Amino acid sequence: ILNVEQSPQSLHVQEGDSTNFTCSFPSSNFYALHWYRWETAKSPEALFVMTLNGDEKKKGRISATLNTKEGYSYLYIKGSQPEDSATYLCALNQAGTALIFGKGTTLSVSS
Amino acid sequence: GAVVSQHPSWVICKSGTSVKIECRSLDFQATTMFWYRQFPKQSLMLMATSNEGSKATYEQGVEKDKFLINHASLTLSTLTVTSAHPEDSSFYICSARRIGGLTGELFFGEGSRLTVL
Repeated sequence: ILNVEQSPQSLHVQEGDSTNFTCSFPSSNFYALHWYRWETAKSPEALFVMTLNGDEKKKGRISATLNTKEGYSYLYIKGSQPEDSATYLCALNQAGTALIFGKGTTLSVSS
Repeated sequence: GAVVSQHPSWVICKSGTSVKIECRSLDFQATTMFWYRQFPKQSLMLMATSNEGSKATYEQGVEKDKFLINHASLTLSTLTVTSAHPEDSSFYICSARRIGGLTGELFFGEGSRLTVL
C-alpha cells in the first residue's frame, strides 16, 4: 500500500511568519508530485505539479521543492497571511496510477 | 480556469434509500473522472475511475453494486450510493482530468457531504 505522509498535521502561525511543511512519499516509480490548497467549503485548488528531481516552483509567496531520490517535497509560505489559512494536500502520481493523497496539513494564520 | 461543479453539497437521507451525486465539468471536456471518499481525519481515498462511455474501474474494497458510477458524456459523471447505510456517511468528492491538460492534473468539485440516518 502506497503511503504519502504529510507533516505536521496542523499548525498555527501569526500573520507575517514564514512556514513550511513536508510531504514524504515512496521514491520508486515516481511520475509527478502535486500540491493542492483546500479552503473550507471550496474545491481543492492545484498549486503545483512537480516532475523533476531538484525542481523548485514558485507562485507568489508560495514555493515548493522536490527531491525524488529521497522521496520528499517541501512547501514554503513566506510572510503568511490570514487568507493562506487552508489545508494543503500533496498527492503522488506514480506511473500509470491515479493520485494518492496525503492527509494534508491544516494551516491557520492569525492576524 | 477549469471548473468542476458537484451537486448536491449536502444530503441527508434515510437508511435504505439511494442517493445520486452529480459531477460536471463546466468549461472543459473530461474523458476521465475520479471519485474519492474522505472519512474524518483521513486522506482522500480513491473509490473509482470513471471513463466516458465505458465501465468504471473500482478500487479494491469498493463495492461496484453499491456505488454505481455512470459517465455518459464528456462533461458529466454520476455516483449513486444505493441502499445507503449509516456507515456510508462520508464526504464524497469528484475530480476530472482535462483533455490535453498537464499530466495528472486534476480539477475538483466542491464535494458532497452525505449523512445517512
